[in-house]
Amino acid sequence: GAVVSQHPSWVICKSGTSVKIECRSLDFQATTMFWYRQFPKQSLMLMATSNEGSKATYEQGVEKDKFLINHASLTLSTLTVTSAHPEDSSFYICSALVGATSGNTIYFGEGSWLTVV
Amino acid sequence: SQQGEEDPQALSIQEGENATMNCSYKTSINNLQWYRQNSGRGLVHLILIRSNEREKHSGRLRVTLDTSKKSSSLLITASRAADTASYFCATRQAGTALIFGKGTTLSVSS
Repeated sequence: GAVVSQHPSWVICKSGTSVKIECRSLDFQATTMFWYRQFPKQSLMLMATSNEGSKATYEQGVEKDKFLINHASLTLSTLTVTSAHPEDSSFYICSALVGATSGNTIYFGEGSWLTVV
Repeated sequence: SQQGEEDPQALSIQEGENATMNCSYKTSINNLQWYRQNSGRGLVHLILIRSNEREKHSGRLRVTLDTSKKSSSLLITASRAADTASYFCATRQAGTALIFGKGTTLSVSS
């Protein structure tokens, strides 16, 4: 099946710094990718929809200037957490849509643990 | 945003017993999917049921969908300790992302 790779798997950064998480579709082209955040013992919350070549669409309550999403190619979307704070510590997981129609499959990356100290 | 609720939030059973989890959602959907997540890990896709289907089986899993009640259930038969995980339902409308429910934490003791 299709593979989505996330990097890094885990990262520790200092407060105030920025950290970038990559989401790659390894064997297919993904015009649409999705970013989720999951706090411990909670569910996945959709943060934004990333479309190749255009601006991301953010969910209500998600700060677009803090969570920068870039989808510059058909196989790569990046999430940059800017000026990170300890409350940004979370599990971030991306998914990629295979094909352009609603019936096509979504594949998930393995997730990235972010700890801000 | 979240689509709905899972019920129960937590479930503890003995090996060999069946586990049933329910999911309710709010909007019309194209399909509903169930995922498993082991603690601190990524998601494992279990099963997809389309809006025009009522029941689907996969191994020890049985999923039902009632679109009139906007609800689904996941039954795991003859549970094993390895089934211990969190289980999430997720729904999809046309051309959109998966929206996840709050999840059920299943604990199977041997």
